[in-house]
Amino acid sequence: DVKVTQSSRYLVKRTGEKVFLECVQDMDHENMFWYRQDPGLGLRLIYFSYDVKMKEKGDIPEGYSVSREKKERFSLILESASTNQTSMYLCASRPGGNSPLHFGNGTRLTVT
Amino acid sequence: GEDVEQSLFLSVREGDSSVINCTYTDSSSTYLYWYKQEPGAGLQLLTYIFSNMDMKQDQRLTVLLNKKDKHLSLRIADTQTGDSAIYFCAEIPLNNNDMRFGAGTRLTVKP
Repeated sequence: DVKVTQSSRYLVKRTGEKVFLECVQDMDHENMFWYRQDPGLGLRLIYFSYDVKMKEKGDIPEGYSVSREKKERFSLILESASTNQTSMYLCASRPGGNSPLHFGNGTRLTVT
Repeated sequence: GEDVEQSLFLSVREGDSSVINCTYTDSSSTYLYWYKQEPGAGLQLLTYIFSNMDMKQDQRLTVLLNKKDKHLSLRIADTQTGDSAIYFCAEIPLNNNDMRFGAGTRLTVKP
């Protein structure tokens, strides 16, 4: 089974802090994704990456950046956390083509 | 822009059938998916249907696809309390690396 691991289940950070969310997948998938999930809004794509060192903006990239230095790891960075970034963050990966996404268990981030 | 649309809430009694509906956006989507999210967890792939099929059955789950209307439904027979979760439909349009999700339907099963 594909395993997508997010390093933290819960995080509490202060406004203005730099925040790193880490995600690792063990199936050599080319594509990795970061979503945020908010009630009533479903999943919104922040960034995705289709290869090492490659990244593409999703629907809501503002306030975020990403890093993919190794194929198995995709990091989401909040340069200066704000309260409106309080949310559930979901990482996912998949190989190419029409294969479905495999999700991690999510990181619930609270910014106070 | 166009969105994948789902109703937000569904409540049923234990033992009844649940039907969750979805309207997707792109007729080029080759596969259509249903995911389940239990409280505090990520999304788990539940089932999927290939676009040249009308129906797929997998134990208590039946997926129906109407390509003409771009309508997808998930029927859960004999719904149990453990089926309480949020259900997302999703598509991957052709030539697109991204998967598009609906907002999710929260299914509540009452004893």
